[in-house]
Amino acid sequence: GAGVSQSPSNKVTEKGKDVELRCDPISGHTALYWYRQSLGQGLEFLIYFQGNSAPDKSGLPSDRFSAERTGGSVSTLTIQRTQQEDSAVYLCASSFLGPNTEAFFGQGTRLTVV
Amino acid sequence: DAKTTQPPSMDCAEGRAANLPCNHSTISGNEYVYWYRQIHSQGPQYIIHGLKNNETNEMASLIITEDRKSSTLILPHATLRDTAVYYCIVRVPSGGSNYKLTFGKGTLLTVNP
Repeated sequence: GAGVSQSPSNKVTEKGKDVELRCDPISGHTALYWYRQSLGQGLEFLIYFQGNSAPDKSGLPSDRFSAERTGGSVSTLTIQRTQQEDSAVYLCASSFLGPNTEAFFGQGTRLTVV
Repeated sequence: DAKTTQPPSMDCAEGRAANLPCNHSTISGNEYVYWYRQIHSQGPQYIIHGLKNNETNEMASLIITEDRKSSTLILPHATLRDTAVYYCIVRVPSGGSNYKLTFGKGTLLTVNP
């Protein structure tokens, strides 16, 4: 596709339910990043993928959060037993490897836990 | 932690140049400076990046001082649609090929009619 695509764009879930958020990166981009942005806050790094492996999971806030990437392409962020504090916009970005490469962001998934 | 310091807010008149400053006094020699912006409720948008030379593209110009301790993003003719939070980011290695972007609080640029 032309850009990073995320789905769904909006998700409302009940507290305690599991949710899956999907990211389709730009074709050929080896690096993939997940971020979270709570209301009125800055972007918080969650996890980095290089290909299908995740060498940096340092930003995942708890063991309820996990992510995977398959085929070096699509990534899924899963939140188990959602809590109200998980409500935020979840953003995905992709890029080629290296420091001199632009990372492009999707439009995010707005998650609301009620 | 972000390695950059930006003013929290700035105003600019429509049609005038917007000059957004950024301090990054602890930048290392091989670390790039990136600029992104985020318009309300949208994902961050890449603007420009550079290492030590000044850069220009269709959106903006990036001026990096010779000592690389600061930079300025220039929007040559600001429009109302340029109202956004602008993030200056030093892209640091975080192990292997990980060059995650660490976002600070950015500068809220308001373009006034």
